[in-house]
Amino acid sequence: KAGVTQTPRYLIKTRGQQVTLSCSPISGHRSVSWYQQTPGQGLQFLFEYFSETQRNKGNFPGRFSGRQFSNSRSEMNVSTLELGDSALYLCASSLQGGLETQYFGPGTRLLVL
Amino acid sequence: GENVEQHPSTLSVQEGDSAVIKCTYSDSASNYFPWYKQELGKGPQLIIDIRSNVGEKKDQRIAVTLNKTAKHFSLHITETQPEDSAVYFCAGTSSGGTYKYIFGTGTRLKVLA
Repeated sequence: KAGVTQTPRYLIKTRGQQVTLSCSPISGHRSVSWYQQTPGQGLQFLFEYFSETQRNKGNFPGRFSGRQFSNSRSEMNVSTLELGDSALYLCASSLQGGLETQYFGPGTRLLVL
Repeated sequence: GENVEQHPSTLSVQEGDSAVIKCTYSDSASNYFPWYKQELGKGPQLIIDIRSNVGEKKDQRIAVTLNKTAKHFSLHITETQPEDSAVYFCAGTSSGGTYKYIFGTGTRLKVLA
């Protein structure tokens, strides 16, 4: 089985722009979670999608949003980028979410200048 | 809120020695504890996990122990090898109907040849 894939792997944007990141989960997995990883804050939960619905949400501003498609692929969007949004964005998939094991993708490294 | 503390933040051991990483959690209802290994440029990879109905679990050179009364769990790596060098993350899970992972801040393990 192919693992979790994320595109693009690297992105450079400037402040004020917006960005969309994509995640394809492991085949058969219906839950996709997104995390932001920074040296200072570690791995922080952004949100989880299951069956095209946001099921859980972390403590991030409304500039961070996401969606999930009927094939379980997910996208996250960050609008009005700030310098502090520079981070590695990771998505993880699991069969049903909840307390099931999550499998991570390689991440998208975003640099905001 | 829910919190997972992880110690130490860095750990250097000689090849062949053992390494121990400890985590404590605050949510007494937490009942699933995965450990992830993250190598440079990659996403976190699950290496072992434990559920609250088990006190210890082993997989070759890796073991995890759980003390629910004290709310702490530990990762033990025996006979360390240079390829064990990476950042290790523990995670607990929040409850209250919004199941999500709460990650520790990570331990950078260096195995010296």
